[in-house]
Amino acid sequence: DAKTTQPTSMDCAEGRAANLPCNHSTISGNEYVYWYRQIHSQGPQYIIHGLKNNETNEMASLIITEDRKSSTLILPHATLRDTAVYYCIVRDTGANSKLTFGKGITLSVRP
Amino acid sequence: GAGVSQSPRYKVAKRGQDVALRCDPISGHVSLFWYQQALGQGPEFLTYFQNEAQLDKSGLPSDRFFAERPEGSVSTLKIQRTQQEDSAVYLCASSLAHSETQYFGPGTRLLVL
Repeated sequence: DAKTTQPTSMDCAEGRAANLPCNHSTISGNEYVYWYRQIHSQGPQYIIHGLKNNETNEMASLIITEDRKSSTLILPHATLRDTAVYYCIVRDTGANSKLTFGKGITLSVRP
Repeated sequence: GAGVSQSPRYKVAKRGQDVALRCDPISGHVSLFWYQQALGQGPEFLTYFQNEAQLDKSGLPSDRFFAERPEGSVSTLKIQRTQQEDSAVYLCASSLAHSETQYFGPGTRLLVL
């Protein structure tokens, strides 16, 4: 079972920041938080991941709370092409490093 | 550079037919994963290879599902005697090592009639 909970859906206006929350209250010390997104009829696309520090790349920022029990993915300037299902995944990078997906959150960016 | 590729992209099979789905991972990637995604659901893990060794096949739903990666590069997922419940998108992902980021292919959409 997925170790994360996300809202089912949210929307935001084009050009505004999209803040996608994720709860992972049972995360353990060696588990990373990963974010992927899936645009309709495509394979999941890697966005970003982190352990405890905040991370930023060309796609997004990841803010992880100090207790690591929740995180937020930030798309700073959402475009229509960012409409997708976003998956927050807690991943053990030990021997069994499979990804366990939940249902994700559907982000709809409106013009 | 080239990403993960999968073929065919779409496959229609009659119930009872055998199918073979191919995955070409990113060159040099040691680890390869297969996932199954039913309509409206997130992907679910099927099996994992490190080089040619299949280290985890706990997600394969039945003994009709078989995967191989004989030379540690290309992998094939075979489904024997397909059933309607096998209809799904089959996704392949590869990573440089087992703990590294996984990159996904576009998937093969299988429809069993």
